[in-house]
Amino acid sequence: DTAVSQTPKYLVTQMGNDKSIKCEQNLGHDTMYWYKQDSKKFLKIMFSYNNKELIINETVPNRFSPKSPDKAHLNLHINSLELGDSAVYFCASRASGPGTQYFGPGTRLTVL
Amino acid sequence: KNEVEQSPQNLTAQEGEFITINCSYSVGISALHWLQQHPGGGIVSLFMLSSGKKKHGRLIATINIQEKHSSLHITASHPRDSAVYICAVAFSGGSNYKLTFGKGTLLTVNP
Repeated sequence: DTAVSQTPKYLVTQMGNDKSIKCEQNLGHDTMYWYKQDSKKFLKIMFSYNNKELIINETVPNRFSPKSPDKAHLNLHINSLELGDSAVYFCASRASGPGTQYFGPGTRLTVL
Repeated sequence: KNEVEQSPQNLTAQEGEFITINCSYSVGISALHWLQQHPGGGIVSLFMLSSGKKKHGRLIATINIQEKHSSLHITASHPRDSAVYICAVAFSGGSNYKLTFGKGTLLTVNP
């Protein structure tokens, strides 16, 4: 059973398009995250949701819109894709309080 | 400014060697994490520490709160340990639990 899953694994698209990435966790965790990993492998937090409520929004362009339909799902929609959006996007989840984060396999987004 | 510094950036070792990766941070923390990212890309959490020392198999993580420093040690290193090791810190004082990441250490263990 995959604890945190993401779809798609790879996404290749043209500049200006709109795309979505989906994430699901079956761990019963309350908190979920989106992270961006750039070409130098540097990870940076983008968003966090706790029980469907947005709690962290890290100066991400408003072309990026996260949505959490329930606490097991966190999706990321990106409008008007730009070359600089090319990266690997990781979803993660965590139980309440300081604790281990469980990462999804990542979605490699390439914008041409 | 809340910062996380890792060293070295790159590390090459021979199989069997003892490995140490270091992480320093700028201000007080609520927890420090060590993560492993294999060439295939997946990220796995190795340890979460707020004090002292933890051990799992050949991996040992230590933290010195006063010195704002943590180390990850690998004993009897093996080629399968080749990966990027990432230190991540949750700084204290924030209302939400948010990780700030180091730039990672690329470890290559040669047979």
